[in-house]
Amino acid sequence: EAGVTQSPTHLIKTRGQQATLRCSPISGHTSVYWYQQALGLGLQFLLWYDEGEERNRGNFPPRFSGRQFPNYSSELNVNALELEDSALYLCASSPLAGGDEQYFGPGTRLTVT
Amino acid sequence: AQSVTQLGSHVSVSEGALVLLRCNYSSSVPPYLFWYVQYPNQGLQLLLKYTSAATLVKGINGFEAEFKKSETSFHLTKPSAHMSDAAEYFCAVSITDKLIFGTGTRLQVFP
Repeated sequence: EAGVTQSPTHLIKTRGQQATLRCSPISGHTSVYWYQQALGLGLQFLLWYDEGEERNRGNFPPRFSGRQFPNYSSELNVNALELEDSALYLCASSPLAGGDEQYFGPGTRLTVT
Repeated sequence: AQSVTQLGSHVSVSEGALVLLRCNYSSSVPPYLFWYVQYPNQGLQLLLKYTSAATLVKGINGFEAEFKKSETSFHLTKPSAHMSDAAEYFCAVSITDKLIFGTGTRLQVFP
């Protein structure tokens, strides 16, 4: 069974640009979660999508947004990039809506210069 | 509010020694608790989870954790450390729609 996949592995952007990160969940999983792992800030919950709808978001500004497609894959968009957005962005999927056991992808390392 | 606290940001052990990584939780309801491991430049891998079925939970790679309600703890142990166990370990509690993580403990294993 293929795990959660994320692309790209690395992404380098300049301040003010937009970044798009992609995630494909494990087959059969309908829930997708996004987390930010920034140096010194730990793992922070960003967004939760289930059945194509945004179900919850963490304490992040609106320039962090995303969507979930009919095949349950997901995109995370970060607009007007700031230097402090540099982090590892992790996607996770779950077979049940509402969290519980989550399976993580390898992450996308976003560097903003 | 539910939360987890990991005591000790760094733990160092010799190969073959006992590994003990500490996690305390705060929850007003019976929690779902997890331990994840993160190897350098990789995502998180689920080690084990507690969902109230049994207080002693066995996970992958020889790790286990014991849920102690009286101590609000969920410490992770392994009887004999291996060099390949060097990584960062995260304790987490599940709220209905997200995981809340502890700050992590970096485990170093010396030969």
